[in-house]
Amino acid sequence: AQSVSQHNHHVILSEAASLELGCNYSYGGTVNLFWYVQYPGQHLQLLLKYFSGDPLVKGIKGFEAEFIKSKFSFNLRKPSVQWSDTAEYFCAVNKKGGGADGLTFGKGTHLIIQP
Amino acid sequence: DSGVTQTPKHLITATGQRVTLRCSPRSGDLSVYWYQQSLDQGLQFLIHYYNGEERAKGNILERFSAQQFPDLHSELNLSSLELGDSALYFCASSSPNGGYGYTFGSGTRLTVV
Repeated sequence: AQSVSQHNHHVILSEAASLELGCNYSYGGTVNLFWYVQYPGQHLQLLLKYFSGDPLVKGIKGFEAEFIKSKFSFNLRKPSVQWSDTAEYFCAVNKKGGGADGLTFGKGTHLIIQP
Repeated sequence: DSGVTQTPKHLITATGQRVTLRCSPRSGDLSVYWYQQSLDQGLQFLIHYYNGEERAKGNILERFSAQQFPDLHSELNLSSLELGDSALYFCASSSPNGGYGYTFGSGTRLTVV
């Protein structure tokens, strides 16, 4: 079974700081990788996804992530965060081709941006 | 609006009761997945239905069940509720079978008192 590990449960940054949230996964086969964001009181929204091709993926709101296969990692980055980026961020994985079990999520990282 | 509709948004009920949560998938999506989000367990996959048939079960209690109807909407039934069942319940839809991504609904917040 696959598993996802997010390195930091809580991250506090000041506006304009650079962001990197770590994500490692464990699975014996090939996977699709996702980052979702959950703003307070709202549903999960897809930030970006990686299925194949260029390992550097660009998403919405200025976020990007890099898939490093040798490290089983899919870290999320943003060069300059804004107060509005305060939210919970989830890394997720599923088996290549989908798979009946849906997504396996990490525990999430609570990001707080201080003005 | 993500295109996935969940009702009700909030539900407060007493221990021992039974509730039904409803999810309408995004137009064209055949798969519906149910997840439970709690502070201690995070996001846990419960069950997956594809075009009316159960495809996979995750960490779903025997007191919980689900079904998907011919119009593709799905219902999650929670019975003999306990305080620990208080959580946010999300559904997500996808097609085909999650290989191209998932769209989540706004969730139902269940509070058991």
